[in-house]
Amino acid sequence: ETGVTQSPTHLIKTRGQQVTLRCSSQSGHNTVSWYQQALGQGPQFIFQYYREEENGRGNFPPRFSGLQFPNYSSELNVNALELDDSALYLCASSFLAGGSTDTQYFGPGTRLTVL
Amino acid sequence: AQSVAQPEDQVKVAEGNPLTVKCTYSVSGNPYLFWYVQYPNRGLQFLLKYITGDNLVKGSYGFEAEFNKSQTSFHLKKPSALVSDSALYFCAVRDRWNDYKLSFGAGTTVTVRA
Repeated sequence: ETGVTQSPTHLIKTRGQQVTLRCSSQSGHNTVSWYQQALGQGPQFIFQYYREEENGRGNFPPRFSGLQFPNYSSELNVNALELDDSALYLCASSFLAGGSTDTQYFGPGTRLTVL
Repeated sequence: AQSVAQPEDQVKVAEGNPLTVKCTYSVSGNPYLFWYVQYPNRGLQFLLKYITGDNLVKGSYGFEAEFNKSQTSFHLKKPSALVSDSALYFCAVRDRWNDYKLSFGAGTTVTVRA
């Protein structure tokens, strides 16, 4: 069984740039959630994707967007980067059936630094 | 709205002693509760969950947690801590009627000294 993988591991960008982070879900999972973990804080929910559509969203502006592909992998895109976007971005996959999602399993994260 | 509070930023215990990490939650409906552990520069690793049924939940690596509905708590416990248990622990809650979103506490750093 393959776990959740994320790429790249680290990324350095400058303010105003755009970034794309990638996630491959665990085998057998059909749902991907993205979280932002700022230094010294708990993860904050960004959004979740199921069947290639956004299934729920946290308090993040529209410049945070995502995609889910037919193989259940996902991308997180952030436009117009700000210094406060510097964080560890975590992807989690889970299986949704009967209207309820199972446990979310997390990848190792992508560390984004915005200068 | 749903939220989690972890009242202790740090917990320090000696190896072999019992370990407790506290968590209280707030949710409008019935909760799903989770504990995750994070090692330096790593993602979150699932430890255990409470969905329904027995209030005492057993998980990975000898950890267990007790659900207390009246006190809205879900404390993580380990009878005998190991140095390798030193890590950052997160409690999380999900509302059964708001199924997609996990809300996390700020985390508790556990240090187990030899």
